[in-house]
Amino acid sequence: SQQGEEDPQALSIQEGENATMNCSYKTSINNLQWYRQNSGRGLVHLILIRSNEREKHSGRLRVTLDTSKKSSSLLITASRAADTASYFCATAANFNNNDMRFGAGTRLTVKP
Amino acid sequence: NAGVTQTPKFRVLKTGQSMTLLCAQDMNHEYMYWYRQDPGMGLRLIHYSVGEGTTAKGEVPDGYNVSRLKKQNFLLGLESAAPSQTSVYFCASSYSRADPEAFFGQGTRLTVV
Repeated sequence: SQQGEEDPQALSIQEGENATMNCSYKTSINNLQWYRQNSGRGLVHLILIRSNEREKHSGRLRVTLDTSKKSSSLLITASRAADTASYFCATAANFNNNDMRFGAGTRLTVKP
Repeated sequence: NAGVTQTPKFRVLKTGQSMTLLCAQDMNHEYMYWYRQDPGMGLRLIHYSVGEGTTAKGEVPDGYNVSRLKKQNFLLGLESAAPSQTSVYFCASSYSRADPEAFFGQGTRLTVV
């Protein structure tokens, strides 16, 4: 079964607005990662947050992690049309392994 | 530095045929993965490897076999292709459990008719 589940499944916003997507997972984790996929392409790593971290920033990206709720959120500020893509969270299904598993993703559309 | 390279990029198979997908990475990564992606399903882990000579099952291993004879290569085999295996296949690699950032290939679009 999939380890992570993203919410919402789809999100449509105007350029300049912020986009927030959420990820819930099932088991204890060492870390959680967010990836981006442009249509028809391979995934690209965006940011990693470790289980002992609560928040992390990278450029216009802000990720939070709440291990008590088994959830994470990805915020993209001041969105651009080029941010249009699918976003996935990934965690290992087993705390001791690195069998990295993905959710179904959030499809983000940023309208110019 | 090529990163992760998958071959072939496209393939059409007839039901019952066999084929092997090749994944090669030049980053000296220990971990390698094979995923399939179907519409609306996200990526599902087929098999993975934590080092040369090792393999392990993921979420959806049935109908697939893998081998990791060399550290840089991870092969995915379909012994008898079925229409249900029509999908886009992605290979990925990462350095270690402590450094799990994964790098992905561009995918192989496989159609089984």
